Amino acid sequence: AQSVTQLDSHVSVSEGTPVLLRCNYSSSYSPSLFWYVQHPNKGLQLLLKYTSAATLVKGINGFEAEFKKSETSFHLTKPSAHMSDAAEYFCVVTSPNSGYSTLTFGKGTMLLVSP
Amino acid sequence: DADVTQTPRNRITKTGKRIMLECSQTKGHDRMYWYRQDPGLGLRLIYYSFDVKDINKGEISDGYSVSRQAQAKFSLSLESAIPNQTALYFCATGEQRNEQFFGPGTRLTVL
Repeated sequence: AQSVTQLDSHVSVSEGTPVLLRCNYSSSYSPSLFWYVQHPNKGLQLLLKYTSAATLVKGINGFEAEFKKSETSFHLTKPSAHMSDAAEYFCVVTSPNSGYSTLTFGKGTMLLVSP
Repeated sequence: DADVTQTPRNRITKTGKRIMLECSQTKGHDRMYWYRQDPGLGLRLIYYSFDVKDINKGEISDGYSVSRQAQAKFSLSLESAIPNQTALYFCATGEQRNEQFFGPGTRLTVL
């Protein structure tokens, strides 16, 4: 079965410093992987996706992620944090059990950005 | 206009009441989904549907039922609500191997 582990429940950074949110997945197939963001009291917005093309994926708002099959990782990074990046971030993987049409979510990482 | 809409956005009800949450989408996708979100648990899949005649249970379907009235409409029912069904509920639509598009969510409180 597929699963997703977000290694940190909370990450705190200062504005202007780099962001690293870690995600590991387990599966016996080649999944599609996504990062979603949820701002307070808002819905979910897609940040970026990996669907078996380039392993370095660029998303919105300066975020990017690298798919590393050998490490089964899909970490999210940003060179310089903004206050507006404060939100909860979810790493998500497709499931083969439903013909790759359902998603399994990690438990989320809350990003806190201080001035 | 939003691609995925949910009604109501907020609902407070009492234990034992029947509740229906509704979802509509204008993306033209066949696949639709219902999730619930609880703090610290991420989103968990309740039910999903690949077309009007197809309904599938997700990870946590007990206590819930769904109806796919049309390609664009997918409703979630709680036949007899209980307090541990208090959560944020999301509807989504998407395509195979690709991202899903989420509605704004319905905050349900069961007293």
